[in-house]
Amino acid sequence: GAVVSQHPSWVICKSGTSVKIECRSLDFQATTMFWYRQFPKQSLMLMATSNEGSKATYEQGVEKDKFLINHASLTLSTLTVTSAHPEDSSFYICSARAPGDRVYGYTFGSGTRLTVV
Amino acid sequence: GESVGLHLPTLSVQEGDNSIINCAYSNSASDYFIWYKQESGKGPQFIIDIRSNMDKRQGQRVTVLLNKTVKHLSLQIAATQPGDSAVYFCAEKYTGNQFYFGTGTSLTVIP
Repeated sequence: GAVVSQHPSWVICKSGTSVKIECRSLDFQATTMFWYRQFPKQSLMLMATSNEGSKATYEQGVEKDKFLINHASLTLSTLTVTSAHPEDSSFYICSARAPGDRVYGYTFGSGTRLTVV
Repeated sequence: GESVGLHLPTLSVQEGDNSIINCAYSNSASDYFIWYKQESGKGPQFIIDIRSNMDKRQGQRVTVLLNKTVKHLSLQIAATQPGDSAVYFCAEKYTGNQFYFGTGTSLTVIP
């Protein structure tokens, strides 16, 4: 089946630095990808919709200057957490609609665990 | 957005028994729902979906029931197996192509 790959799967960074997370659709093109964050023992919260070739659409309360999203190609979306702080530590997950997916169902990546120290 | 919540945060069942996981949603405009399974440290996996014009849908060992009158969704897992242990989320769609996830229920299957 279709695969959405995330890289890295785990990253530790120092407070104040920036971290880039990649989301790739393997063997299919995705004009739209979605970014979620998940705190331990909590649900997934939609952060933004990444649109190929145009600006991302952010959910209310998500700082677009803090979480930079770039969707420069049909197979790659990146999320950059700028000037990361310990409260940004979370599990970040992307998803994309793969060919054959249900009408509105999406395939999820395996997630990136970010720890800011 | 409006919240999607679950009645029970944790559920333990004996292997072989049936499991029922519940979800309450508050947005009457939601027209599509999905149940996802998430294992520790992994992304969610699709289990089953249902449109708002249906009240029941069956898959392999799983059944989703939708009651729009009381805005309630449930996932039934037949003959629960140890491999079913995970966190289960319901997700609803009510605007665009975005999905909004519920709180989650942690299912533990006791051998």
